[in-house]
Amino acid sequence: QQQVKQSPQSLIVQKGGISIINCAYENTAFDYFPWYQQFPGKGPALLIAIRPDVSEKKEGRFTISFNKSAKQFSLHIMDSQPGDSATYFCAARGLSGSARQLTFGSGTQLTVLP
Amino acid sequence: EPEVTQTPSHQVTQMGQEVILRCVPISNHLYFYWYRQILGQKVEFLVSFYNNEISEKSEIFDDQFSVERPDGSNFTLKIRSTKLEDSAMYFCASSVNFGDYGYTFGSGTRLTVV
Repeated sequence: QQQVKQSPQSLIVQKGGISIINCAYENTAFDYFPWYQQFPGKGPALLIAIRPDVSEKKEGRFTISFNKSAKQFSLHIMDSQPGDSATYFCAARGLSGSARQLTFGSGTQLTVLP
Repeated sequence: EPEVTQTPSHQVTQMGQEVILRCVPISNHLYFYWYRQILGQKVEFLVSFYNNEISEKSEIFDDQFSVERPDGSNFTLKIRSTKLEDSAMYFCASSVNFGDYGYTFGSGTRLTVV
């Protein structure tokens, strides 16, 4: 029940295209859903996050869509750039019990071709 | 921008040896965490630490692991007798308070057990 399932495992997109990464969760105690971006040799860096009281959050080219009833959320990267090439992790956490710590998805390696 | 600093960046150790991984969290942060990432896999929670004691720990964090805040700035993870399967990237993170969802991760220490 603690799992966060992420897909696809890898994604190749042309420059200017839209990158879409999907995640699904089971634990209804989760109430915070961040996305992290990780470059090789670096730690995960918080990219954007959403709470379940909204269905969408946009920051620049990055948008999270959230479907509470389906327990799914996704990251959309508009106008993808080669500099966006990185590994992206979705994550989830709640405020109580075993959900208190970040549970990460398995990651998506994004490659944006020039 | 404040950073979480981890040293060393890479450590190679013989199986059975003790290792200490060091972290300097952001100065006004009160909550500290260790996560690990086995190569190619997802980031996994190990332990959280607040007010000089462990708040939560995962199943991974067995008796071979310990954490300490030996002074006002450092936060360490000790592995008493390393095993081959301890080889991973270890990330330290910190946050101002537990309700602060935006963890800041360090760049990690790559531990290689041979």
